[in-house]
Amino acid sequence: EIVMTQSPATLSVSPGERATLSCRASQSVSSNLAWYQQKLGQAPRLLLYGASTRATGIPARFSGSGSGTEFTLTISSLQSDDFAVYYCQQYNNWPLYTFGQGTKVEIK
Amino acid sequence: EVQLLESGGGLVQPGGSLRLSCAASGFTFSSNSMTWVRQAPGKGLEWFSTITGSGVATYYADSVKGRFTISRDNSKNTLYLQMNSLRAEDTAVYYCARPRGSGGLYYFDSWGQGTLVTVSS
Repeated sequence: EIVMTQSPATLSVSPGERATLSCRASQSVSSNLAWYQQKLGQAPRLLLYGASTRATGIPARFSGSGSGTEFTLTISSLQSDDFAVYYCQQYNNWPLYTFGQGTKVEIK
Repeated sequence: EVQLLESGGGLVQPGGSLRLSCAASGFTFSSNSMTWVRQAPGKGLEWFSTITGSGVATYYADSVKGRFTISRDNSKNTLYLQMNSLRAEDTAVYYCARPRGSGGLYYFDSWGQGTLVTVSS
């Protein structure tokens, strides 16, 4: 099983600031990495796939980078709607997909 | 618009059974693999089962293998999850999700709203 480790567990950011979230895989997942946003009481929403491709309707302030074992999700200027929990998911190891434990982005 | 609507959750005793359903609309259901993902209270997401579009092939995480069965009825655009021998650690919100990608390299672009399963005496 590929273990996904996200850091930090909690990120305190002021509105308008940049947020940088990290995700590390225990072995290479190539670029087969997705990011999701989950708000309290809601289902996850796909943000990015292929490490850096935005899903339909996702604003340009969300960007992703990385390949292999190290990945980053950047939110360039945090809006009030962006405070949520973010998960990474590897889909390189069919069919044993695994998620990170999540990073909570909270208002500073 | 893709819509996934889960139902069937509830309170069940340890060792009991429950069947979840996920009604799909807005896409060609039979052409898509489908997946179940769960989330224990206050915890992260756990993939645990996928079924191919035809229903011929199914895949499970070790945590549910032998106890849960994924199936589908393409004539009804509905995905199912039969859960037997339930344990307290199966308590979670259960989501159905549509995988996207190819060759088994799947991320999940559409999710249902989830249904809560609570296993407790």
